[in-house]
Amino acid sequence: EADIYQTPRYLVIGTGKKITLECSQTMGHDKMYWYQQDPGMELHLIHYSYGVNSTEKGDLSSESTVSRIRTEHFPLTLESARPSHTSQYLCASSSLSGLPSTDTQYFGPGTRLTVL
Amino acid sequence: KNQVEQSPQSLIILEGKNCTLQCNYTVSPFSNLRWYKQDTGRGPVSLTIMTFSENTKSNGRYTATLDADTKQSSLHITASQLSDSASYICVVSDRGSTLGRLYFGRGTQLTVWP
Repeated sequence: EADIYQTPRYLVIGTGKKITLECSQTMGHDKMYWYQQDPGMELHLIHYSYGVNSTEKGDLSSESTVSRIRTEHFPLTLESARPSHTSQYLCASSSLSGLPSTDTQYFGPGTRLTVL
Repeated sequence: KNQVEQSPQSLIILEGKNCTLQCNYTVSPFSNLRWYKQDTGRGPVSLTIMTFSENTKSNGRYTATLDADTKQSSLHITASQLSDSASYICVVSDRGSTLGRLYFGRGTQLTVWP
């Protein structure tokens, strides 16, 4: 079982609210990721980080922002939530081992966000 | 265009039966291929990982195969159990998740009936 945690697990909020999805890992991994996943669809990378003070946008355009002030913590923020943001958000982390045979992304349990 | 296609989209089998899930990819260059299991409402969990030189890899009742020439992989589940009900996702990496990017399939939704 991977030591990566996400809170809250479920969130239902109204349009226009600001929200922060929390993600923490205790494995000392340098690289962390945020994915968005809709039912029956593939995961889409929206943000990633190589380490503290490093953040990059992923393949899927997202109105969310992220920060990486501590190695273990990678929160995602939506300044003004809209119904189009309704989705499952998955956080993951991996070690910068550089070895293709061993690199693994460990995923958190996800946050199911519903914006009314 | 780098893509990962999985089939079937969904599958229903009876407990105790075997099944095989397919994954075709066009990702290039190729670093590794991984099969993940994702239970409903949970994050994906890695089952197997294979690099270019590996043809088969087992993890308990799960056996993955890789044909790098035809760019195909399969996941075989033996003696299925109710707990095998989940989505199985094929993920291909072009340069490893450290330096490159991952390409995700949409998954095969497996349901095991008693």
